[in-house]
Amino acid sequence: DAKTTQPTSMDCAEGRAANLPCNHSTISGNEYVYWYRQIHSQGPQYIIHGLKNNETNEMASLIITEDRKSSTLILPHATLRDTAVYYCSTQGGSEKLVFGKGTKLTVNP
Amino acid sequence: DAGVIQSPRHEVTEMGQEVTLRCKPISGHNSLFWYRQTMMRGLELLIYFNNNVPIDDSGMPEDRFSAKMPNASFSTLKIQPSEPRDSAVYFCASSLFAGTSDYNEQFFGPGTRLTVL
Repeated sequence: DAKTTQPTSMDCAEGRAANLPCNHSTISGNEYVYWYRQIHSQGPQYIIHGLKNNETNEMASLIITEDRKSSTLILPHATLRDTAVYYCSTQGGSEKLVFGKGTKLTVNP
Repeated sequence: DAGVIQSPRHEVTEMGQEVTLRCKPISGHNSLFWYRQTMMRGLELLIYFNNNVPIDDSGMPEDRFSAKMPNASFSTLKIQPSEPRDSAVYFCASSLFAGTSDYNEQFFGPGTRLTVL
């Protein structure tokens, strides 16, 4: 599975869009990009995943660059409850998820 | 629906004691994962099972750690003997793996916070 790198922390104003980047420059053709988040000390929670097309669900949007070497998770209208650590991971060929350090997102009122 | 159930939620023990963590995956799921989370090392995969068979245990730190899955609804992670550096939050997760990576959401339990004195 490709290694991912993310900024350590980010801040966002409540109601604004939060754009969280992830670099996965060594991703291979059959690997998907997965995003999870961990609120406080709870278990991580799945957000969204994609292969090469942009994806959207009720939680977020995922934008994957054409070369697939990076992606951005977008929370369109961040709320205080979105304060969490966000993990980007790649997965392909097996079920194994490798979590990096993640980005601590703080949504400010 | 019941999610992944872990017990105990908190465990405090003394160095040298045996510790057993338990996990009940979501009914119908065929894959189970054990993770360890510390401030220093983040979230690490220790081992995972598919259809009760261990598939990858490369993350198990040493022989003091062992994991079993005797049936589809129960798994244990045992540490014997425990050491202070084993203090961490241990998460269990389960998923329904269909053989591809198209959709493989892992559902995490609430974790067991282990403190070894």
